[in-house]
Amino acid sequence: AQKVTQAQTEISVVEKEDVTLDCVYETRDTTYYLFWYKQPPSGELVFLIRRNSFDEQNEISGRYSWNFQKSTSSFNFTITASQVVDSAVYFCALSLYNTDKLIFGTGTRLQVFP
Amino acid sequence: NAGVTQTPKFRILKIGQSMTLQCAQDMNHNYMYWYRQDPGMGLKLIYYSVGAGITDKGEVPNGYNVSRSTTEDFPLRLELAAPSQTSVYFCASRERRHTDTQYFGPGTRLTVL
Repeated sequence: AQKVTQAQTEISVVEKEDVTLDCVYETRDTTYYLFWYKQPPSGELVFLIRRNSFDEQNEISGRYSWNFQKSTSSFNFTITASQVVDSAVYFCALSLYNTDKLIFGTGTRLQVFP
Repeated sequence: NAGVTQTPKFRILKIGQSMTLQCAQDMNHNYMYWYRQDPGMGLKLIYYSVGAGITDKGEVPNGYNVSRSTTEDFPLRLELAAPSQTSVYFCASRERRHTDTQYFGPGTRLTVL
């Protein structure tokens, strides 16, 4: 069975702290795709990143970075020097090669306090 | 491009009423999806479509119906609304299958009283 687990329900940090959001996935497929989405208080879902299972290179985009480790089935997301605008619910998701569906984790609510 | 649009943004229904949530995309995407998001939860797939005239059930299809007569539109029909259908509904689309990103609409917040 395929599954995405985001064990951290809620995280609170003070501005400028670094924070890592964990994502662990389960699948027996060798080809799959991992995603992160951001859902700010306004409610829309904003795409952040897509990674395929053959590309384990870490990625950095400004203050955001992603660490993909197949050995531990994890795709963690780090925000460096967090800002109040980073406050949102963050979802990790898994898409398999032979299906048309996206499997979401339950999300991690990040609150960044000034 | 407007991307994925959804109407209405908010709606209150009485138990037993019916309504249609509208979803449209202008990106010529083949794949379209309907999700529901309950408070504090992730998204659950209701129905999806891989092209005009083709639809399939997702994880939680009961109480809903869909149709896909055009590439652009993918309406979700609620028949006999129940309080358990109180949720935020998101429509999404993507061009191809697994390799592509799903892009989401702004959501419809539905309350059934």
